[in-house]
Amino acid sequence: AQRVTQPEKLLSVFKGAPVELKCNYSYSGSPELFWYVQYSRQRLQLLLRHISRESIKGFTADLNKGETSFHLKKPFAQEEDSAMYYCAPFDHMNRDDKIIFGKGTRLHILP
Amino acid sequence: ETGVTQTPRHLVMGMTNKKSLKCEQHLGHNAMYWYKQSAKKPLELMFVYSLEERVENNSVPSRFSPECPNSSHLFLHLHTLQPEDSALYLCASSMDRVETQYFGPGTRLLVL
Repeated sequence: AQRVTQPEKLLSVFKGAPVELKCNYSYSGSPELFWYVQYSRQRLQLLLRHISRESIKGFTADLNKGETSFHLKKPFAQEEDSAMYYCAPFDHMNRDDKIIFGKGTRLHILP
Repeated sequence: ETGVTQTPRHLVMGMTNKKSLKCEQHLGHNAMYWYKQSAKKPLELMFVYSLEERVENNSVPSRFSPECPNSSHLFLHLHTLQPEDSALYLCASSMDRVETQYFGPGTRLLVL
């Protein structure tokens, strides 16, 4: 069974400090991984996905197959980063798979 | 309007009412989804349609009934709901089930 874990429900970080939002997955296949973000009063939207290997808004995420993790990182937090972040893996080798969202981590940037 | 739209944005209904939520996407996507978002369970997948066929039903109670008449429209028909069904209902679409999902703004539902 597929499972995704975001261990922190709430993460408070001072502005300018590094940010790391943890995501661990339990998969038998080869996952594609997504991070979605929901800012206050805005709709849920894609932040980044593993396959594109982009840095979006200063965030990056590296797939670590050994640790089965896809942690989201940013070296210097900004106040506008305050939002709800969801990790979502998808086993694209399994056409019957469905994307499963983690329970989310609320990131609060302190001034 | 481009993107994914949902109507109504807010809905209050009694437990004996029947109502429908509507979702429309203008992105040319082939897959559409219904999610429930609440404080207790942040994001729960309810239904998935791919090429207008339902491919996923996540053990959702029968008081929720989806309908996908074409690839651009998705409905969620509601009847005899319970107060615990109060939540934000999100619609999303994607080109393919493996691709990025684009979300609507949601319908905030309150069941009295």
